[in-house]
Parts: sequence; C-alpha cells; structure tokens
Amino acid sequence: DTGVSQDPRHKITKRGQNVTFRCDPISEHNRLYWYRQTLGQGPEFLTYFQNEAQLEKSRLLSDRFSAERPKGSFSTLEIQRTEQGDSAMYLCASSLAGGDQPQHFGDGTRLSIL
Amino acid sequence: QKEVEQNSGPLSVPEGAIASLNCTYSDRVSQSFFWYRQYSGKSPELIMSIYSNGDKEDGRFTAQLNKASQYVSLLIRDSQPSDSATYLCAVNPGRNYQLIWGAGTKLIIKP
Repeated sequence: DTGVSQDPRHKITKRGQNVTFRCDPISEHNRLYWYRQTLGQGPEFLTYFQNEAQLEKSRLLSDRFSAERPKGSFSTLEIQRTEQGDSAMYLCASSLAGGDQPQHFGDGTRLSIL
Repeated sequence: QKEVEQNSGPLSVPEGAIASLNCTYSDRVSQSFFWYRQYSGKSPELIMSIYSNGDKEDGRFTAQLNKASQYVSLLIRDSQPSDSATYLCAVNPGRNYQLIWGAGTKLIIKP
C-alpha cells in the first residue's frame, strides 16, 4: 500500500497562469476527492469521482476549476487564470466505495500565487 | 449555521493528562464519524472512525458517540507532546458521500 500520492508538493506561479495538479490514489480505491484548505479552516470539498465519473462538484467552485479522472485511476485538477485567492493547500483523498469508508489523504500541493 | 462545530482552541493540556476534544453536528441522520489529526503544514491523518453509539477504543485514543445529543468526542489518554496538532472532526450525513468537516481544535500538550 503506497498511499495517496500528489504532485507537485509546492507550486509557485504568477497571477493569471494556469496550473495543474496530479493525484494518484491508493490502488484499490475507486473514490477520489479533491479538497482545498486554508489556514485555520477544515478541508473545503471541491469535487469527487467514483471511478472515472465525476459525481459531485461544489456549487462554490468557480468554472476556472476543472478536474478529470480519465481512466478511473489518477486524477488531475486544473485551475485556469489563477487569482490571489486561489492560494491554498490542495488535498486529494481516496476511499473505497461506501459512505462509511474513511478517506485517506495525500501530502497535498501547496499553491502560492504571486 | 455550520453543520459541524468544534471549539477552535487552543486547548492546552499537561503532558500525561487526558485531552478531551468535542464535536457537535446538526444533521440527525448522520451515519459515520471520523477524527483526523493534522500537524502544521501537513495533510489530515485518520485516527478513528465510529459508527455506533458508545465508546470505541484504539490504544490511547477513545472516540465517543452520542447520536441523541448529536455529539462525538475524542479522548487522548497519557497525552504526549507529539499529540500536539489540530484535530479535525468529519461527519458523513448519509445524504451523499461528501464529508462535512469542522474547522478543527488546536491541541497543545505542555511538557
């Protein structure tokens, strides 16, 4: 069990640039989640996949954000035209199917917008 | 109104004492409850999950669930300085598979 892997660990970019993050879930997990977290707050749900299907997306999520999980394995999260307010830790988690299954997190990608 | 509430702290506890962390939730049909530990700059790490009323023990950790009163708590016995972290409560309301998160309680264990 290699755990959830996220890449890159840190990303610094200028406002207006596009960024893409990758997440590799635990291999047997068919659910994958993206969260955003800022200092002093709990994780904020962004979206989740079951296999390759994106089943839910936060209503608060700007259309600048898009996520894919094309083959039901790894996932990417893209932010277009980044803004200062996008600076945060982006967390990926995975789980087995079932609402009672705990989610396991990767180390996160810290995004800093200059 | 927040759906999952935690005291933000910091909660300061002397080393070797029992640390008690509390979480209340608003949705009565909530099914599953999770405690995560998060060190500064790191990602959340699962400590305990609990699904039924009562106590669940795992080493120095005990989770307590009271669905009638809509609270879940985490007790840490023999607190160690390495327990100093933010503890996040997460609740699955059963409506879908999105966990509802509290903002976390910062715990400080003083040597």
